[in-house]
Amino acid sequence: QVQLVESGGDLVKPGGSLRLSCAASGFTFGDYYMSWIRQAPGRGLEWVSYISSSGTTINYADSVKGRFTISRDNAKNSLYLQMNSLRAEDTAVYYCARRAAAAGRAFDYWGQGTLVTISS
Amino acid sequence: EIVLTQSPGTLSLSPGERVTLSCRASQSVSTSYLAWYQQKPGQAPRLLIYGASSRATGIPDRFSGSGSGTDFTLTISRLEPEDFAVYYCQHYGSSLFTFGPGTKVDIK
Repeated sequence: QVQLVESGGDLVKPGGSLRLSCAASGFTFGDYYMSWIRQAPGRGLEWVSYISSSGTTINYADSVKGRFTISRDNAKNSLYLQMNSLRAEDTAVYYCARRAAAAGRAFDYWGQGTLVTISS
Repeated sequence: EIVLTQSPGTLSLSPGERVTLSCRASQSVSTSYLAWYQQKPGQAPRLLIYGASSRATGIPDRFSGSGSGTDFTLTISRLEPEDFAVYYCQHYGSSLFTFGPGTKVDIK
């Protein structure tokens, strides 16, 4: 069965850096676009970034552009999010999600999330 | 950039009732790229509907989606106890993904 397991969330001071990982299993990881989506405490969902199956096409939300970098290693079935210059407003649960192959750019599988807290 | 608005913010209902949730886009969008998700406390979102009206795998047929242009609807024909949750609409366009603010369906 499809599984996405995020890790790397932590308490970090403003201005600091963090790298999140997402381990995928149960499907051919290299065939799918992947995304990071976050949810601040008590708030709604915010898309953060996506990466194409080959890693050649990438996009970011304006709120993280220039600070976050998405990447993937298809040989390791892993997705990453390098987060630099972190701000208090980056505090959130970060989910990795698979973009469905045939469901209109919807996200058909999600991990359980990893909590990132930015505070001094 | 397209903005999605969901109404109402909260609905208080009883099991067995019919629910209609609204998602409005700031400009006309493709039905192909409109989806709905359900999220329960402490859980990741679950895909319910994609392409505005197609149910995702394993989703009960009491959930249905409709709409076009700027106005989309998620209907739950008869609320089950497990349906009390927050519902989000989502759109993809111009290489960006956008979520609506969500509608919370809670128990009356």
